[in-house]
Amino acid sequence: NAGVMQNPRHLVRRRGQEARLRCSPMKGHSHVYWYRQLPEEGLKFMVYLQKENIIDESGMPKERFSAEFPKEGPSILRIQQVVRGDSAAYFCASSPKSGGLNTEAFFGQGTRLTVV
Amino acid sequence: QQPVQSPQAVILREGEDAVINCSSSKALYSVHWYRQKHGEAPVFLMILLKGGEQKGHEKISASFNEKKQQSSLYLTASQLSYSGTYFCGTVFWDTGNQFYFGTGTSLTVIP
Repeated sequence: NAGVMQNPRHLVRRRGQEARLRCSPMKGHSHVYWYRQLPEEGLKFMVYLQKENIIDESGMPKERFSAEFPKEGPSILRIQQVVRGDSAAYFCASSPKSGGLNTEAFFGQGTRLTVV
Repeated sequence: QQPVQSPQAVILREGEDAVINCSSSKALYSVHWYRQKHGEAPVFLMILLKGGEQKGHEKISASFNEKKQQSSLYLTASQLSYSGTYFCGTVFWDTGNQFYFGTGTSLTVIP
């Protein structure tokens, strides 16, 4: 859905660099989800955030990955010291209220991270 | 916790029907269905909230069997535009804050 904006669409990083992925949810949405999709695989849940709160980060690797959703501005998924295995498409989705209850999640077009 | 979908892949000729199943080992609160075309974002198809609920979207419909902890997506008289990967997304009763996507089913419709 064009309403969820992710940038950049494509990101190339060398091993050891940092990657910052941005997601602006649809207007009026206060819930953001990040998913990772490896080539030819399904979507794996990473983290669920509300404004200024991390609700569930059970899918996020314990090291190098972090996410935030500040009161103002987009949600950021940060990957420090990237490795080749981090290469994937990262999708952000937003919903107007808590996870999937009576609502659908709208997805952004994704950021394709390539680590060289 | 990831729901399992079957089949993993299916090839149809235009006009044929298909059924995609989504099964969970945990009690489900709701089931969502999405379709993703290669290189694109998943697109929402429908939500099923109640056990036994059935919904339809064009010639695509779905059912939700809460007791069996599964949902099925029915595609009738398939069109070329139906090609893509179909994912179910499930909300569990004990973790109602987010949903998990299933393993995915690749559907290819050929002329």
